[in-house]
Amino acid sequence: EDQVTQSPEALRLQEGESSSLNCSYTVSGLRGLFWYRQDPGKGPEFLFTLYSAGEEKEKERLKATLTKKESFLHITAPKPEDSATYLCAVQPEYGQNFVFGPGTRLSVLP
Amino acid sequence: DAGVTQSPTHLIKTRGQQVTLRCSPKSGHDTVSWYQQALGQGPQFIFQYYEEEERQRGNFPDRFSGHQFPNYSSELNVNALLLGDSALYLCASSFARTSEQYFGPGTRLTVT
Repeated sequence: EDQVTQSPEALRLQEGESSSLNCSYTVSGLRGLFWYRQDPGKGPEFLFTLYSAGEEKEKERLKATLTKKESFLHITAPKPEDSATYLCAVQPEYGQNFVFGPGTRLSVLP
Repeated sequence: DAGVTQSPTHLIKTRGQQVTLRCSPKSGHDTVSWYQQALGQGPQFIFQYYEEEERQRGNFPDRFSGHQFPNYSSELNVNALLLGDSALYLCASSFARTSEQYFGPGTRLTVT
């Protein structure tokens, strides 16, 4: 069964304190791994797509990396506006669906 | 460029009633997927529509049904509502040949 876990469940950082979020997955062939940001009561906002081990993508203070079994979302010098829930999802090689993890709730304190 | 839109924003229904939620995909997209997100959890896949047909379905009962129209917009119907159907319902659109899905703001359904 395809499965995604994320850790930690919640993370509190001081502004400027860099850290990483983890996404571990088991899937019967990986078509793609996706990171989203979700603010309370809103729909997920697309951040990155990663397709193969070793791939990296960057956007502002965020950098996503992918290995064969997990992905990391690195946040460098975060700001309070980076506070949100970060969701990881995988798409199986022969499926159309996305399998989401439970998310990591990030709080960045000024 | 208009993103994914959903209506209504919020909805309150009584157990046993039926509900219809609507979604218009992002411009240029032809595929629509529906997800259910309970509070504090990640979204769960309900089904996906492409070329007006259900392409894949998640582990949801037949009370959940859908439709896609020729203009690519879509509806999600839920019959015989249960308290456990209370959730945020998300619509996501994509172009058939790409994987990236873009989400709408969601419809918050409360069943009392």
